[in-house]
Amino acid sequence: AQKITQTQPGMFVQEKEAVTLDCTYDTSDQSYGLFWYKQPSSGEMIFLIYQGSYDEQNATEGRYSLNFQKARKSANLVISASQLGDSAMYFCAMRLNTGFQKLVFGTGTRLLVSP
Amino acid sequence: GAVVSQHPSRVICKSGTSVKIECRSLDFQATTMFWYRQFPKQSLMLMATSNEGSKATYEQGVEKDKFLINHASLTLSTLTVTSAHPEDSSFYICSARRTKNTEAFFGQGTRLTVV
Repeated sequence: AQKITQTQPGMFVQEKEAVTLDCTYDTSDQSYGLFWYKQPSSGEMIFLIYQGSYDEQNATEGRYSLNFQKARKSANLVISASQLGDSAMYFCAMRLNTGFQKLVFGTGTRLLVSP
Repeated sequence: GAVVSQHPSRVICKSGTSVKIECRSLDFQATTMFWYRQFPKQSLMLMATSNEGSKATYEQGVEKDKFLINHASLTLSTLTVTSAHPEDSSFYICSARRTKNTEAFFGQGTRLTVV
């Protein structure tokens, strides 16, 4: 079984500051992928960043970086230089690379960026 | 990224009627589509995995006779909520991928309200 845990229901950050959203996961599989999605109030799921379990370097995509600590089973999302448009729900998800390769989501963190 | 279109974006129906939601991959052929349900302020919960040309695989606790999934072609999957009740009111969202080990792209979601 796979499980994703996001312990921060809500986070506040000031514009232009960096923020870290926590994500821990649990699986006994060795091959898996970790994803972060942003969900604005419109409901669409916007892909932000991906980290494979065998990737040795932390993934980065523009202002997003993923702090992958495999031994601790954590995959925290770091958003640098926050913008007002970053206010949204953020979901961490895991995909096992076996079977149907389903995505399992965490409970999400609501980020609010203030001016 | 690839485009997945979901229709309708919003639907209101009367209790006891059926509603069909379409999920189309516009610029790629999707061998697998996933259907999720999201209640307000909650995470995405996988309902079923749909492979083209075969019966959908439902997650535990999801009634297959109530949530009919058809994946008749490589670009279209449909979810029919039969005999809808107010408790079925939710946000339904699909995702589609070309093959295993490729990224899944999300539709815009459908907000269903049963009155």
